[in-house]
Amino acid sequence: EDKVVQSPLSLVVHEGDTVTLNCSYEVTNFRSLLWYKQEKKAPTFLFMLTSSGIEKKSGRLSSILDKKELFSILNITATQTGDSAVYLCAVENQAGTALIFGKGTTLSVSS
Amino acid sequence: DAGVTQSPTHLIKTRGQHVTLRCSPISGHKSVSWYQQVLGQGPQFIFQYYEKEERGRGNFPDRFSARQFPNYSSELNVNALLLGDSALYLCASSLRTVNTEAFFGQGTRLTVV
Repeated sequence: EDKVVQSPLSLVVHEGDTVTLNCSYEVTNFRSLLWYKQEKKAPTFLFMLTSSGIEKKSGRLSSILDKKELFSILNITATQTGDSAVYLCAVENQAGTALIFGKGTTLSVSS
Repeated sequence: DAGVTQSPTHLIKTRGQHVTLRCSPISGHKSVSWYQQVLGQGPQFIFQYYEKEERGRGNFPDRFSARQFPNYSSELNVNALLLGDSALYLCASSLRTVNTEAFFGQGTRLTVV
């Protein structure tokens, strides 16, 4: 059964800290892994990763995929209070018909 | 350019009633998917539609149904509502079905009392 496990489930840091969020997965016939940020309702797309070892970067956020070890990490440097959110990791299922989500990591950044 | 729009934003229904949720995808996107998100969990897949055909169905009872219209908008219908159906219902649109970014709407918060 396809599965995504995120860790930690919650995290509290101070502004300026660097955080690493983890996502491990099991899926038949891997296609892609996606990261989303969810603040109130709509998950906002961050990254889509398909190739191993290639870092995707957007400002202070970056992500990398390891297809051999079946995991991905999301790094946030110089955290700000606006980074407080739930970060969701998802993998595309074999048929390409659905995203399988983890439970998410709740990040709280205090000033 | 408008993103994914969903209506209504909030809804309160009584057990046993029926509900219809609506979604308009991003212009040019032909695939629409529906997800249910209960508190503290990640979204769970319900349906995917592409070019007006059902392409995938999650592990939900037959009380849940959906369709996609010629303009690619979509409806999710839930019959005989149960208290456990209370959740945030999210719609996602994408250009195609595989290896593609999916963009989510704001969701419909359904409360069943």
